Amino acid sequence: DAMVIQNPRYQVTQFGKPVTLSCSQTLNHNVMYWYQQKSSQAPKLLFHYYDKDFNNEADTPDNFQSRRPNTSFCFLDIRSPGLGDAAMYLCATSRDYQREGFFFGPGTRLTVL
Amino acid sequence: AQSVAQPEDQVNVAEGNPLTVKCTYSVSGNPYLFWYVQYPNRGLQFLLKYITGDNLVKGSYGFEAEFNKSQTSFHLKKPSALVSDSALYFCAVRDDTDKLIFGTGTRLQVFP
Repeated sequence: DAMVIQNPRYQVTQFGKPVTLSCSQTLNHNVMYWYQQKSSQAPKLLFHYYDKDFNNEADTPDNFQSRRPNTSFCFLDIRSPGLGDAAMYLCATSRDYQREGFFFGPGTRLTVL
Repeated sequence: AQSVAQPEDQVNVAEGNPLTVKCTYSVSGNPYLFWYVQYPNRGLQFLLKYITGDNLVKGSYGFEAEFNKSQTSFHLKKPSALVSDSALYFCAVRDDTDKLIFGTGTRLQVFP
């Protein structure tokens, strides 16, 4: 089945140790998003790719970076995780100009020790 | 800017009773509205959407939502609640840059 896959589901890292979260999709959607969600709060958009064009939200810290090597894959890199970066990270996809719902992956829960 | 508001942090309802989770929106132009549900430690699951057409939208798991343009509301409803419906519910709007903007969420608690 077409879907959005996130790996790993749970990630533990140490304070300041770089970490990479992965998202892949089989939907062939051209737009991919990364959201950060802290303890049952609303998901907050960090950035999104519109095809290869990277769109950063104004308040996303520089500590967060992203790569999209091809249509199917998108990575979230946290260069120096702090305790405040512990959260659920959600990947989502959509197709431009299609008024459809967004498709979310199951999320990666990041713990920072 | 597009936005949605969920005025209730939590809604409590007895099993078998009807439930309503409220959402109001503020958009310029045509609204594209969505409801998602989230169970503990899980991603967001799509319930339903309003794009155009009938004001009453039917979705997954017996949920429906009523789009009311005059009241700028998009309330989520279910005729008979189940204990398994207990979860966190998010209303969202797609803005004109193709981003999904979420409300603050409403925790639904269904008691046996």
